[in-house]
Amino acid sequence: KAGVTQTPRYLIKTRGQQVTLSCSPISGHRSVSWYQQTPGQGLQFLFEYFSETQRNKGNFPGRFSGRQFSNSRSEMNVSTLELGDSALYLCASSLNFGTSGTYEQYFGPGTRLTVT
Amino acid sequence: KNEVEQSPQNLTAQEGEFITINCSYSVGISALHWLQQHPGGGIVSLFMLSSGKKKHGRLIATINIQEKHSSLHITASHPRDSAVYICAVSGNEKLTFGTGTRLTIIP
Repeated sequence: KAGVTQTPRYLIKTRGQQVTLSCSPISGHRSVSWYQQTPGQGLQFLFEYFSETQRNKGNFPGRFSGRQFSNSRSEMNVSTLELGDSALYLCASSLNFGTSGTYEQYFGPGTRLTVT
Repeated sequence: KNEVEQSPQNLTAQEGEFITINCSYSVGISALHWLQQHPGGGIVSLFMLSSGKKKHGRLIATINIQEKHSSLHITASHPRDSAVYICAVSGNEKLTFGTGTRLTIIP
C-alpha cells in the first residue's frame, strides 16, 4: 500500500505571496492532519480534516486554511506569506477520526517551504 | 512550562549501549505517541500507547499514567538508530509535541 504523499517537496516563495500544499493519504484513510515544524517552535498542530470537515484547529492565524476533498486528499493554503512561515509542513493520515491523535498517524515526507 | 517535556535534549552513546529517553506531560491525555524523525524530515510513528508497555524489536515504550511519564528504551543500540525521537500526547482535541531528543550512536 502506498504511503502518504505530499507535493511539492520543496517550495520557495516571496513574502506576500500565497501557497497551496497537497497531501494524499494512505488509501482507505479518512482523516488528514497538518503540522508545522520550525527550529524555534518545533512541531505544532495546524488542523485536522475528516469527511471533508475541519474537526480540530490549532492556534494559527486565519491565513492558514485547508480543505479536504471527497477522495480524502487534502490541501492547505497559506495566504500573505511571512518570513516566519518558512517551515517543514507535514501531513499525516489515519484510519479514522478521534480527537487528533488517538489513532495511529502515518506521516508524509513533508513540504519544505522557504519564504524570502 | 511546556505541556510536554523530554529529556535529555541530546544524547550520544556508543554502539551497543542501552538507551533511555524520557517524556513527562502535564495534561490529561488519551494516548501518547513516540515518533522517530531522520535527517531530511521524514517521521515514523514508533508507538502509540495509553497504558502499560509495548515492544517492537529492540524498542520498548512504557507509560505511567498516574505519574504522567513515559520512557522509550532502545536495547543494543546501532548507528542506524541515530535520529530525533519525539514524544507527542493527544489531549484537548489535538496533538502536542515535545521538543525532541537528538540521539547519536557512535560505531
